[in-house]
Amino acid sequence: AQTVTQSQPEMSVQEAETVTLSCTYDTSENNYYLFWYKQPPSRQMILVIRQEAYKQQNATENRFSVNFQKAAKSFSLKISDSQLGDTAMYFCAFMKQGTNSGYALNFGKGTSLLVTP
Amino acid sequence: GAVVSQHPSRVICKSGTSVKIECRSLDFQATTMFWYRQFPKQSLMLMATSNEGSKATYEQGVEKDKFLINHASLTLSTLTVTSAHPEDSSFYICSARRTGGEKLFFGSGTQLSVL
Repeated sequence: AQTVTQSQPEMSVQEAETVTLSCTYDTSENNYYLFWYKQPPSRQMILVIRQEAYKQQNATENRFSVNFQKAAKSFSLKISDSQLGDTAMYFCAFMKQGTNSGYALNFGKGTSLLVTP
Repeated sequence: GAVVSQHPSRVICKSGTSVKIECRSLDFQATTMFWYRQFPKQSLMLMATSNEGSKATYEQGVEKDKFLINHASLTLSTLTVTSAHPEDSSFYICSARRTGGEKLFFGSGTQLSVL
């Protein structure tokens, strides 16, 4: 079974600053996907960024980037130039790759991020 | 982008009654749909995986007779909470996988309150 650990229950950052959210995972799989999802107060799940494990290059999406360390099983999310709208719960998630994987997401417990003016 | 509609967004019911929640993929075919449960300030816990035309696969500890899942078409899955009890009160979220891909698209969730 895969486990996803987010060791920071709560974090805060000032507007325009940079913040990094941590995520580690445990798996014996070699092929998988990793995701960061954002859940604002509306509770709608929003995909922030996605990384395929076979890719060495770290994924980036505008102000969001990841530091993917496969050997260390670490997948941190960096948010640059933080905005008030980034205030949300952030979940790290794991998905096995392959047609027999089921494609289910396994979520960490989440990090509550507060962006302050 | 792909849209998943979940209905109702909020429902209040009496203990002992049944409630049906619908999850529809509006602009794509979803071979697989997932149902999650989320308690306040907690993570999403996978309840079951449903594949179109076949029986759902339930996670350990989830009562299949209590949480009935039907995935009769490529665009619709339903979750029925039978004989609801106050401890079933929770936020339920569905997600759908587009056929041939690994991206999941989420519904907006249903807050169930059982009195």
